[in-house]
Amino acid sequence: AQSVTQLGSHVSVSEGALVLLRCNYSSSVPPYLFWYVQYPNQGLQLLLKYTTGATLVKGINGFEAEFKKSETSFHLTKPSAHMSDAAEYFCAVSDRTSYDKVIFGPGTSLSVIP
Amino acid sequence: SAVISQKPSRDICQRGTSLTIQCQVDSQVTMMFWYRQQPGQSLTLIATANQGSEATYESGFVIDKFPISRPNLTFSTLTVSNMSPEDSSIYLCSVEGVDRSEAFFGQGTRLTVV
Repeated sequence: AQSVTQLGSHVSVSEGALVLLRCNYSSSVPPYLFWYVQYPNQGLQLLLKYTTGATLVKGINGFEAEFKKSETSFHLTKPSAHMSDAAEYFCAVSDRTSYDKVIFGPGTSLSVIP
Repeated sequence: SAVISQKPSRDICQRGTSLTIQCQVDSQVTMMFWYRQQPGQSLTLIATANQGSEATYESGFVIDKFPISRPNLTFSTLTVSNMSPEDSSIYLCSVEGVDRSEAFFGQGTRLTVV
């Protein structure tokens, strides 16, 4: 069975500061890993994904994440926060070996302080 | 990528009634997934819909409450039956990408039961 944990249900950063959102996963098979963003009253948008290859993955809007197998982590970072980054962020995992659903973490709400 | 259209985008319904949510995809897909996002919560998978067979429901969800149809490879419906205020949520339709490495989501249906 797969699962995802996100440390911190709410994170606040100052505009221009580093954004770090933590994600740890559990999977019995090599996983696909994702970060999704949900802006207020909108659907989900894929920020980035890890499937195979390079463990540092770059996504949209300046975000990146690093897959660390030894730590079972996939933390999301952005060097400099912008006001428009305020949103809900979901880490997710899926099983790459078969058609399977995506398992979502509980989410982290990011606030950006001017 | 897949483009998913959900209807309605939002609705306010009386308790005891039923609402059918439609999900249309711009390409043929084998599996479609229905998620629920309760207020302030993460996404929870309701069921997986495979064309030509009955949907597979996750623990805590039953067909009588959430009947699903999948008449063809581009369309599915989810019905929320005999609604109560606890059913107030966002319901999202999702499909996998062609290479199974990504999930695409509709904009969701925001349901309020009064």
